[in-house]
Amino acid sequence: DIHLTQSPSFLSASVGDRVTITCRASRDLDSYLAWYQQKPGKAPHLLIYTASTLRSGVPSRFSGSGSGTEFTLTISNLQPEDFATYYCQQLNNYPPYTFGQGTKLEI
Amino acid sequence: EVQVLESGGKLVQPGGSLRLSCAASGFTFNSSVMAWVRQAPGKGLEWVSGISESGGSTYYADSVKGRFTIARDNSKNTVYLQMDSLRAEDTAVYYCANLRLGRGSDYWGQGTLVTVSS
Repeated sequence: DIHLTQSPSFLSASVGDRVTITCRASRDLDSYLAWYQQKPGKAPHLLIYTASTLRSGVPSRFSGSGSGTEFTLTISNLQPEDFATYYCQQLNNYPPYTFGQGTKLEI
Repeated sequence: EVQVLESGGKLVQPGGSLRLSCAASGFTFNSSVMAWVRQAPGKGLEWVSGISESGGSTYYADSVKGRFTIARDNSKNTVYLQMDSLRAEDTAVYYCANLRLGRGSDYWGQGTLVTVSS
């Protein structure tokens, strides 16, 4: 199975900041990586797929980049509603479509 | 409007069985790969099982292989997860979601809690 490692696991930031979360894969994923946001008690919400394609309706302050084994999620101009946990998911090798361990973004 | 609604979660003893259901509407269910993803209390997301559009192909995480069975009824827009030989480590919120191969899951249910404890 493909293993995903996110860094950092915890991130403290302030409203208006720009933050970057990294996801590293144990094997080449091409561009088949997605990013999700999850708030406490809620289901995950898809933000980005194929590494850099923003899902319709997701604010443009979210962006993704990378290919192969290293990917990044960047959030510019952090808003209060962005404080949540973020997960990457590999979509190149099915099954299973493994997730990273998560990055908790705190104020 | 897309709706995904899981049901069936409850407290069950170790070694017991449980069947979860997931009713979907608002998208072309019979053209959608479906999946179950779980989240243990305070932990991250774990992909559990997936099923092809017709139900002819099924996939499982190693942690549940041989104990869980996924199935679907396209006439009822419903996917099921039969869980047998349950263990304490199966305690989690179980989410049902569509799965666009290569693109991820954009429709998720609210989750149903399964607690395995004596």
